[in-house]
Amino acid sequence: GAVVSQHPSRVICKSGTSVKIECRSLDFQATTMFWYRQFPKKSLMLMATSNEGSKATYEQGVEKDKFLINHASLTLSTLTVTSAHPEDSSFYICSASGVPPYEQYFGPGTRLTVT
Amino acid sequence: GESVGLHLPTLSVQEGDNSIINCAYSNSASDYFIWYKQESGKGPQFIIDIRSNMDKRQGQRVTVLLNKTVKHLSLQIAATQPGDSAVYFCAEKAAGNKLTFGGGTRVLVKP
Repeated sequence: GAVVSQHPSRVICKSGTSVKIECRSLDFQATTMFWYRQFPKKSLMLMATSNEGSKATYEQGVEKDKFLINHASLTLSTLTVTSAHPEDSSFYICSASGVPPYEQYFGPGTRLTVT
Repeated sequence: GESVGLHLPTLSVQEGDNSIINCAYSNSASDYFIWYKQESGKGPQFIIDIRSNMDKRQGQRVTVLLNKTVKHLSLQIAATQPGDSAVYFCAEKAAGNKLTFGGGTRVLVKP
């Protein structure tokens, strides 16, 4: 099956700093990548959808200036949490989708802790 | 707005027994549903999917049932094993290939 990786798997940063999370499709070209956020014991909430070479589309309530998404190639999308605050601490998961039937393949997630 | 939800937050099951996880959805226009398994600290793992033109689909030890009349989806796991302990989510595929996830059910397998 298709493999999606995320880096880093865990990151701790200080309040006010920015942190970048990478999402890579390792063995297929992902025309679309999705970013989700998951709080403890909660479900996945879609943050944004990014298409290669285009601006990301953000879900209602998600601040685009705080969560910067770049999808510069067919195998890489990045999520940058800018000026992080403790309430941004969460589990961030990406998924990648390529050819029909456009199955979404999920990455292993990145645990962000803001101190 | 439209949502996908689950009835039971936690399901304890004896090893070897069958498990049934339920999910209710509200968007009658949804035509594709997926079940995912998520282990602690990991991303969701695809289990099985079903389209709205089907009532039942079987995989290896898993069966998904779809009742469009009452907008209900269920996942049956046969002969539940310790490795099945995880959180299970149903998801609905909407426009733009977006997924809407249900609240999740934790399955605990007792030895």
